Amino acid sequence: AQSVTQLGSHVSVSEGALVLLRCNYSSSVPPYLFWYVQYPNQGLQLLLKYTSAATLVKGINGFEAEFKKSETSFHLTKPSAHMSDAAEYFCAVITGGYNKLIFGAGTRLAVHP
Amino acid sequence: NAGVTQTPKFRVLKTGQSMTLLCAQDMNHEYMYWYRQDPGMGLRLIHYSVGEGTTAKGEVPDGYNVSRLKKQNFLLGLESAAPSQTSVYFCASSSFGSPGSTYEQYFGPGTRLTVT
Repeated sequence: AQSVTQLGSHVSVSEGALVLLRCNYSSSVPPYLFWYVQYPNQGLQLLLKYTSAATLVKGINGFEAEFKKSETSFHLTKPSAHMSDAAEYFCAVITGGYNKLIFGAGTRLAVHP
Repeated sequence: NAGVTQTPKFRVLKTGQSMTLLCAQDMNHEYMYWYRQDPGMGLRLIHYSVGEGTTAKGEVPDGYNVSRLKKQNFLLGLESAAPSQTSVYFCASSSFGSPGSTYEQYFGPGTRLTVT
C-alpha cells in the first residue's frame, strides 16, 4: 500500500533562506506525487505534481521538487523564502485508482524576518 | 468558474444532532471526495464517488453517510454527531483519468465543524 512520510512537522527559516521540505513515499507502482499548500483558513492549492515525465518539476511561486526513485523521495525546495510562503504544506501520492490521494501529516513552514 | 464550493463554512452542533454538508463543483468532474483534516494527521479520506449515483468508503467512513444524486453535488451527512467528529471537512473533485487528464484534485474552502 502507498504511504507518505513528511519529515518535520514544523520548519522555520529566515526570509531569503533556502526552503527544504522533505517527503518520502512508498509505492508498489510508479507513483504520481503532489505537493499542496494550505494558507491559514483556506483550502488546499496545488503547488506542483509529478506524473512520470521530467523528474525535476517546477511549480507555482518559485517552488520546485525533484523525484528521486532510488531514494523514494520528492522533496520540495525554494531558493529564497518569502514571508508570504508561511503556510502548511502537504505531500500526497495517488493510491488505489480514481485519483484517490494519501496525504502526509503536513509541514508547517514559518518564515521570520 | 466558482470551482468547488462548500456550505456551510462553520457549524456548531450538540452531541447527537444531525447535519448535512453540501459540496458543489462546476468543472463537470466525475470524481468527488470528502476528507477530514485533524492536527498532525494530514487529510484522511472519508467517502468518495466516481460518478452520479455512486459512493464508496474511504479510510475513515464510520459515522458518516454520503449521497451523489447529481453529478455536480456531493453531500456528507452526520446522523448523530459525536465530539470525535470535530474537525475541518474538505470536499474535492477530480476529472476522469483519460489521456490528457492531470489527475489532481481541486479543493473547496472547507467547513469547520465543532461538536460539543
